[in-house]
Amino acid sequence: DVKVTQSSRYLVKRTGEKVFLECVQDMDHENMFWYRQDPGLGLRLIYFSYDVKMKEKGDIPEGYSVSREKKERFSLILESASTNQTSMYLCASSPWASGSTYNEQFFGPGTRLTVL
Amino acid sequence: AQKITQTQPGMFVQEKEAVTLDCTYDTSDQSYGLFWYKQPSSGEMIFLIYQGSYDEQNATEGRYSLNFQKARKSANLVISASQLGDSAMYFCAMRDSNNNAGNMLTFGGGTRLMVKP
Repeated sequence: DVKVTQSSRYLVKRTGEKVFLECVQDMDHENMFWYRQDPGLGLRLIYFSYDVKMKEKGDIPEGYSVSREKKERFSLILESASTNQTSMYLCASSPWASGSTYNEQFFGPGTRLTVL
Repeated sequence: AQKITQTQPGMFVQEKEAVTLDCTYDTSDQSYGLFWYKQPSSGEMIFLIYQGSYDEQNATEGRYSLNFQKARKSANLVISASQLGDSAMYFCAMRDSNNNAGNMLTFGGGTRLMVKP
């Protein structure tokens, strides 16, 4: 059974704190993604990684950084959390599929982060 | 400009009836893929169905089918015989060659479907 896990389902942090969100996949996928989900806006891509130590900015990278030291793990870092980063964060993974448009992404259960 | 548009923020449907969730997309590519995901209140994203731009037949998966109209750039999801468990958020997403590296998907804003008993 394929699996993407996230370290926390719910997290409450204070403004200015450094926050780590962890994501682990057990499918040996090359690609991993971090999204944030806000009502009416759908899912917006923050960062993605297509290989260990490789990362690319998505649509809304400001205020975030990422780390991928091992293939199975992709971390999202909020260097100094702010209230406008209160959101649902979803991690996903998919295998590499160059030249093909088909490749579903497998999602984790999400982390609901509240920044006070 | 938004690449994926879902114009229905929320919809009701009577149990056992069919419902259509709208999705329009914008791309200049000839090769692209369209996905639908379901997100129940528990939060996990569940892949439902896929349509490739070169697929000649509309995709079907059980009670889900995709009404793909390429010229109109629409990829509407049809759920037949709605069940109470179909109540959820539904997202349309697209992969095109503009975001081919790393298999990125662009998502629409979602439609909340509520099934009435």
